[in-house]
Amino acid sequence: EVLLVETGGGLIQPGGSLRLSCAASGFSVSNYYMSWVRQGPGKGLEWVSVSYSADITSNADSVKGRFSISRDNSKNTVFLQMNSLRADDTAVYYCARGAITGSDAFDVWGQGTMVTVSS
Amino acid sequence: DIQMTQSPSSLSASVGDRVTIICRTSQTINNYLNWYQQKPGKAPKLLIYAASSLQSGVPSRFSGSGSGTDFTLTINSLQPEDFATFYCQQTYSTPWTFGQGTRVDIK
Repeated sequence: EVLLVETGGGLIQPGGSLRLSCAASGFSVSNYYMSWVRQGPGKGLEWVSVSYSADITSNADSVKGRFSISRDNSKNTVFLQMNSLRADDTAVYYCARGAITGSDAFDVWGQGTMVTVSS
Repeated sequence: DIQMTQSPSSLSASVGDRVTIICRTSQTINNYLNWYQQKPGKAPKLLIYAASSLQSGVPSRFSGSGSGTDFTLTINSLQPEDFATFYCQQTYSTPWTFGQGTRVDIK
C-alpha cells in the first residue's frame, strides 16, 4: 500500500523551530517529486515547498529563507525544517507526492500534522 | 505568480444534480490544471489531472475540461458522498497555486 505519514507537529512559540518528517511506504521517494502543502484553520490550500531531487528544491515566497525541504532516500523520508516560525504559519501540514504522469499533480497525500505557533 | 479564480465559492445542490465549478487562471498554463476534493478533517484527494484526465479509482461522474486559462470541473448526478470542498491547482510553474475552493453542500 502506498502511504505517507507525517510526524513532528506540535505547539511552538513564535520564533521557534520545528522539523516535520514524512515517511513514505509502498514506493521510493527517490523516484518522485515530493511537496509540502499547508492549510490554515478554516482556510484553503497553500503549496509550501517541493523537492525535485536531493539537490533541487523550490519554496513559496511566504516561507523563503525560513523553511527548507530535504529528503533522505535511504530512509525513504522527506523533511521540512521550519525556522523563525510565525503565528501565520499555524496550519495542518500535508506531505504530498508528485505524480510521474500527467501534470505533476499530487496523487498521494499524508494525513497531515498540525503545527500551532503561539505564545 | 499565477492567480487562480475559482467560482462559485459555494453552492447548494441536491442528490442527482449536475454541478459545474469554474477555474480561471491569470495566464495560460498548457493544461497543467488539477482538481481535488477535500472532506472535513481529511487530506485532499486528486480527482482530475492535466485538465481532463480522470485519476485512477475516481468515479466517471467526475469530469474535467478546458484549456488555456478557463477550466471546468463537472459532477454528473451528484451523490451523497460528493458533498465536500473542491480545489483547482496549477502546476505549470512554481509557486504552484490553488483556487480558493468551492464548497458543495446539500440543498
